[in-house]
Amino acid sequence: DGGITQSPKYLFRKEGQNVTLSCEQNLNHDAMYWYRQDPGQGLRLIYYSQIVNDFQKGDIAEGYSVSREKKESFPLTVTSAQKNPTAFYLCASKRDRDNYGYTFGSGTRLTVV
Amino acid sequence: EDQVTQSPEALRLQEGESSSLNCSYTVSGLRGLFWYRQDPGKGPEFLFTLYSAGEEKEKERLKATLTKKESFLHITAPKPEDSATYLCAVQGVKVGANNLFFGTGTRLTVIP
Repeated sequence: DGGITQSPKYLFRKEGQNVTLSCEQNLNHDAMYWYRQDPGQGLRLIYYSQIVNDFQKGDIAEGYSVSREKKESFPLTVTSAQKNPTAFYLCASKRDRDNYGYTFGSGTRLTVV
Repeated sequence: EDQVTQSPEALRLQEGESSSLNCSYTVSGLRGLFWYRQDPGKGPEFLFTLYSAGEEKEKERLKATLTKKESFLHITAPKPEDSATYLCAVQGVKVGANNLFFGTGTRLTVIP
């Protein structure tokens, strides 16, 4: 079945450490997105990419970095510059020019220890 | 500024007790309004897209409607398995390409 796979499901980060969240899709979707979800807040866009080797900052990109070397993959790195990284991270994708909505992965819960 | 407000924040219903969830929005030209269902610890699942005022979409016990200022998600005779958080999102013409503004959701609990 086609879909989006996020890994790991749970991730623990020590202070000062960079961690990378994986997102892979086999839907042949052009656009991919990273969102952060915190209790009581709507999903907030971190980064998005509409084509390979190109990506744009979202509303809360500070302390995060991404790459898009393959159409299927859009990993997110949470750097030590992100001071409050504990959150639920969601990856999504959709076909370009398609308003059928985004397909979301199952999420990664990141906790700072 | 584009904005989405969902109400109520939480809703408890008895099984079979119909109700509606509200999504009020302010957007500079609506490209689409989306409803999602999210179960705890999981990603949102797409339900509906609405494009213009007067449009309606149905899926099982759920029916979404749209006016120029708000959308309603009507749930008829809900079952316990309908318990979830329902998210609304809008996409306006002035925002960055393919960006959505999400509401904070309505957490629905259906009691057997």
